[in-house]
Amino acid sequence: LAKTTQPISMDSYEGQEVNITCSHNNIATNDYITWYQQFPSQGPRFIIQGYKTKVTNEVASLFIPADRKSSTLSLPRVSLSDTAVYYCLVVGSSNTGKLIFGQGTTLQVKP
Amino acid sequence: DVKVTQSSRYLVKRTGEKVFLECVQDMDHENMFWYRQDPGLGLRLIYFSYDVKMKEKGDIPEGYSVSREKKERFSLILESASTNQTSMYLCASGSRQALITDTQYFGPGTRLTVL
Repeated sequence: LAKTTQPISMDSYEGQEVNITCSHNNIATNDYITWYQQFPSQGPRFIIQGYKTKVTNEVASLFIPADRKSSTLSLPRVSLSDTAVYYCLVVGSSNTGKLIFGQGTTLQVKP
Repeated sequence: DVKVTQSSRYLVKRTGEKVFLECVQDMDHENMFWYRQDPGLGLRLIYFSYDVKMKEKGDIPEGYSVSREKKERFSLILESASTNQTSMYLCASGSRQALITDTQYFGPGTRLTVL
């Protein structure tokens, strides 16, 4: 499974757009990039997954360049409730269903 | 909505006790997983199961065992609890036919303290 690297922490203010970048240099052809969000004292929850270019849903956007060696999770107009840990994962090619969680990025949104 | 429930949110046990953590999912998922989460170490996979009566070791299986007698239920067993097993335990489930590759649905977690 490809290893991912992302910043340990980020700060933002309410109403700003937040971009969290993840690098995954060893991503395999069949891998997808997936992001999970974890609030304190809760289990992680899936927020978005993509293979290439751009994916958007009601929560976030995911930008993946052509070489797929990095990706950027974009959270539009964050609020205090977006304060959480965000995990970038590479999934799929191992076909085991296992997830490898790194340290994640702790996003602190300030008023 | 997928629901994964865990038997307790908080649990306090004594060293040497046998501890059972139960997890139930209601989406007929084939795959179920047990993780522990510790500060600075992230989520680490303890055991997982692809089907009833099947189990596979994860990255840190020592001191733990599991049981999957029914598809919807996956139990984590601490045969003799030790203080270094104080942690947040998270259960997850997922489908092999998932439209979103390898998506897992997590329960709320059980915070176990071993005294």
